[in-house]
Amino acid sequence: GDSVTQMEGPVTLSEEAFLTINCTYTATGYPSLFWYVQYPGEGLQLLLKATKADDKGSNKGFEATYRKETTSFHLEKGSVQVSDSAVYFCALSDLTWNAGNMLTFGGGTRLMVKP
Amino acid sequence: DSGVTQTPKHLITATGQRVTLRCSPRSGDLSVYWYQQSLDQGLQFLIQYYNGEERAKGNILERFSAQQFPDLHSELNLSSLELGDSALYFCASSTLTGELFFGEGSRLTVL
Repeated sequence: GDSVTQMEGPVTLSEEAFLTINCTYTATGYPSLFWYVQYPGEGLQLLLKATKADDKGSNKGFEATYRKETTSFHLEKGSVQVSDSAVYFCALSDLTWNAGNMLTFGGGTRLMVKP
Repeated sequence: DSGVTQTPKHLITATGQRVTLRCSPRSGDLSVYWYQQSLDQGLQFLIQYYNGEERAKGNILERFSAQQFPDLHSELNLSSLELGDSALYFCASSTLTGELFFGEGSRLTVL
């Protein structure tokens, strides 16, 4: 079945540091890939997405490129802020599966940014 | 605000009891999903409904059941509760192929 693997956290960075959170996936079809963010005490919010190979999703300074050859979708940000502290989830949706667009999530990576 | 409303936000109950969690999807969304988030299992897909009918089932225990009503709201029923059922339960809604929007979750504590 489909699966998503993320680097384990927590990731602790100083403000303005460069961020990379690794994500790799396995899927039988042609999945869409997502990054969701969960701030403390809140639900998940879509951060960015990519629907086909070589697409780059971007939002709020975060970027991720859909790499089919390496089955990866790593999240990057050039300069993190304290307000970016949250848990980040990589996810995939395999629309070829006859089940709507159910998301399969990775385990989540907690990011802590210190001033 | 995602537009998805979940109640109650917090619930404390005892082992062996039964609870019902409620979800109102975004206006116009026909699909509702239930997820369980626990420390040891991460985010686990439980079940999906589309326009009142079950569409996909994940790691949902037999003690758990769900339904989606004609007005499209959904309820997740958890019975014979165990300590291990303590978790955050999320509801999400979407169009059939669109982005999922998540509610803020219902935190269940079983004592």
